[in-house]
Amino acid sequence: GESVGLHLPTLSVQEGDNSIINCAYSNSASDYFIWYKQESGKGPQFIIDIRSNMDKRQGQRVTVLLNKTVKHLSLQIAATQPGDSAVYFCAEKMGDRGSTLGRLYFGRGTQLTVWP
Amino acid sequence: EAQVTQNPRYLITVTGKKLTVTCSQNMNHEYMSWYRQDPGLGLRQIYYSMNVEVTDKGDVPEGYKVSRKEKRNFPLILESPSPNQTSLYFCASSLSAFSYEQYFGPGTRLTVT
Repeated sequence: GESVGLHLPTLSVQEGDNSIINCAYSNSASDYFIWYKQESGKGPQFIIDIRSNMDKRQGQRVTVLLNKTVKHLSLQIAATQPGDSAVYFCAEKMGDRGSTLGRLYFGRGTQLTVWP
Repeated sequence: EAQVTQNPRYLITVTGKKLTVTCSQNMNHEYMSWYRQDPGLGLRQIYYSMNVEVTDKGDVPEGYKVSRKEKRNFPLILESPSPNQTSLYFCASSLSAFSYEQYFGPGTRLTVT
């Protein structure tokens, strides 16, 4: 079953501020954690991933932090822009073995709204 | 352009009338998958396919069928649709089952009355 969840369903920030979107997971066997962005009327789009043996990974304006001790994942967006308004999903990939091979498990999503 | 396409994008149908939602990818990906998205429930996997002629059930397979006769196509079949299958459906593909980046189609909004 689904083991990835989110602390907050909505987040509103002002343009230019930093955004932090949180995600909790329960399965210690997950190998990868991935963040997806879904804009209105579109399919989810890959943003960034982090392997379970890492604590931090940076991309362009985004940083993902992984705290395995408390099973917590976060996505930080620097200098948030109106184009960042979307639903953000975290997903976990539970390892390349058995019945979970290839499968992604998604959280319920957080709606990020950026105000001008 | 590398993409996943779905057809139709919108469909309104009646209970019991068989329908097929097509999915096609042009990236030579081995792995393909179908998800449904419902408010408050996120994305749930219906079926997936690791390669041609290899399909398996996801978390919510009841009421759905799939086939993978060709690498690029992965149609979703609803033999006898019911109102609880009203949802937003997404097809996705990735290079292989070991890949963590999945590419999603634009979605198909299905309403069953």
